Amino acid sequence: SAVISQKPSRDICQRGTSLTIQCQVDSQVTMMFWYRQQPGQSLTLIATANQGSEATYESGFVIDKFPISRPNLTFSTLTVSNMSPEDSSIYLCSATGTGGHTGELFFGEGSRLTVL
Amino acid sequence: SQQGEEDPQALSIQEGENATMNCSYKTSINNLQWYRQNSGRGLVHLILIRSNEREKHSGRLRVTLDTSKKSSSLLITASRAADTASYFCAPSRNAGNNRKLIWGLGTSLAVNP
Repeated sequence: SAVISQKPSRDICQRGTSLTIQCQVDSQVTMMFWYRQQPGQSLTLIATANQGSEATYESGFVIDKFPISRPNLTFSTLTVSNMSPEDSSIYLCSATGTGGHTGELFFGEGSRLTVL
Repeated sequence: SQQGEEDPQALSIQEGENATMNCSYKTSINNLQWYRQNSGRGLVHLILIRSNEREKHSGRLRVTLDTSKKSSSLLITASRAADTASYFCAPSRNAGNNRKLIWGLGTSLAVNP
């Protein structure tokens, strides 16, 4: 199994600012993902964080707005840039276990962002 | 894309009762997973069932899969207040890529003491 630590757990941000969320996994994992969960909604995949290369973004998400880094197999960051109230959401980091791609996804506790 | 749709959207029961949640999907799958999310927190994996399996158990959880009806159910027996959470199913067409998990809105379960 893998334990994922995410920080900050919550923050209140001003419109136009940027915030970086950190995700640390306690073991090497094959894939890491970033999700967004808007109030009352389900999870939407933002991107797959690739180790040592640019992230793979899903439709509707772009690197300029959500730059992602993954310098090694256990750490990733997501930046929410130039925030607006519409970015108020829970952002979740997740990763596959070492057991392979069809195995379970492990999730961090989420970062709840409120943009004023 | 492959999305699971959970039913009902909300369920309220008394402690000790059983809770059944259903999931439907539209296309063929390789596997289907169930997750739990406590309010505003991360998701926790409960169980994975493969397309060639019909039933799987884990503690008080029982999952069934009917590929002919493209549906799955999650049964929680002898429910506890701590089971209060949202439950999501995640069907996957691809054996090798969890990126393809598409999430529904979930079932919000309230277990009243």
